[in-house]
Parts: sequence; structure tokens; C-alpha cells
Amino acid sequence: DQQVKQNSPSLSVQEGRISILNCDYTNSMFDYFLWYKKYPAEGPTFLISISSIKDKNEDGRFTVFLNKSAKHLSLHIVPSQPGDSAVYFCAASDAGNTGKLIFGQGTTLQVKP
Amino acid sequence: GAVVSQHPSWVICKSGTSVKIECRSLDFQATTMFWYRQFPKQSLMLMATSNEGSKATYEQGVEKDKFLINHASLTLSTLTVTSAHPEDSSFYICSASGQDLSETQYFGPGTRLLVL
Repeated sequence: DQQVKQNSPSLSVQEGRISILNCDYTNSMFDYFLWYKKYPAEGPTFLISISSIKDKNEDGRFTVFLNKSAKHLSLHIVPSQPGDSAVYFCAASDAGNTGKLIFGQGTTLQVKP
Repeated sequence: GAVVSQHPSWVICKSGTSVKIECRSLDFQATTMFWYRQFPKQSLMLMATSNEGSKATYEQGVEKDKFLINHASLTLSTLTVTSAHPEDSSFYICSASGQDLSETQYFGPGTRLLVL
């Protein structure tokens, strides 16, 4: 049972344009969501997070939107840069309990110059 | 801040040997550390959760006698793959979170294990 799903395995955008990565979840107990960026053979790097009490969080070029009723979150990167090319994982946590993160399958973003 | 290191980054061993991987939080006290495994082109799969000074909690399907976890201090957790076999070859990643870091987990760089 995949509780966190990233249905697009890959995404290709042009440099300077907006990248939108999507993530859906099924467990209504999740109340904290995170996005990580990962290069091959490296550990994930934390990008941005959002609590369920918010619907938007912004940090520089990265914005995460949360739609609790749809159980959907998205990561917007604007403007996209070639260095953003990596695998992006969304993760969800039921916080306060075990702190465990449930990861999506990842979306490979390619930003073309 | 919130830097996590792993050692070694790459290890090759013979089948039947044991391999120890260290995970250290360098600039914070990690009350909880997590061990993940990633197969090529797949997501990170949580193996176990460890809290300092207590026994690790293993995910379903993960053999606790196979993957020994020790979290002896607030800055160090170790994963020992005992009697490693080729099917244990994988990318092992640890993460750590602390009381001051909310629920954010910070990841180590990973350890690639190849069992011949």
C-alpha cells in the first residue's frame, strides 16, 4: 500500500521556466510534509517542508503548496536552473508519533539549458 | 547546521562477512536516527528507527538479527550487516532528527555496499 505517491516518474522543463512536482497521499493522519532533493549515490538533501496547518510555504525559488482536502501537495521551482536537475522525493510524517517518514517513489527532474 | 556523516561511503566485502556502517550527527544531538535502504531507481525504504539508549524498532520484513542497530550515544548510530550476501548489496542511508529540529530528518551521504 503506497501511502505517498508521486505519479510522474520524470519531468523535463526548460531553464527559466517553472517546475511543478506533484505528490499525493492517502493517510489523513499525516500532518507534516517534506521535499528532498537527491543526486545519484548521495543522501537526500532537505529542501522545504510544510505543516498541515498551512497551505503554502515559500523559501527562495521553492514553494510548497498543500491541499489537505485533496490530499495533494506540490513543489514549485521558479525559475528552474540546470543545477536543479535531480530526483525529488516527497515525504510525509504523522509527527509526534514515531517521526517516521514515508517517501514517495521520486520524480526525476531534468532542467534543460 | 544539521550535518550527518556516514562512514564508509563505499565498501566491498566477501559473502559471509559482516560490515559495520557508522552514522554520526556532527553538530546536533540526534535523539532519533533512522536507517534506510535504497535499491536502484526505487524509493527509500525505512528499515528501522533507533532512539538513543533503547532498542531499535524494525519495519516489517526487516530481519533484526541480520541488520544490527546500535544507538549508543546522541551522535552515533551503527548498522551492522551480519553475514552479508549478494542480495544485501544496496545503498544504505541514515538520517537523524533532534528535538530542536522539529520533524525534519537530515540525511547522511549514504553507504554503497557491494557483496561479492
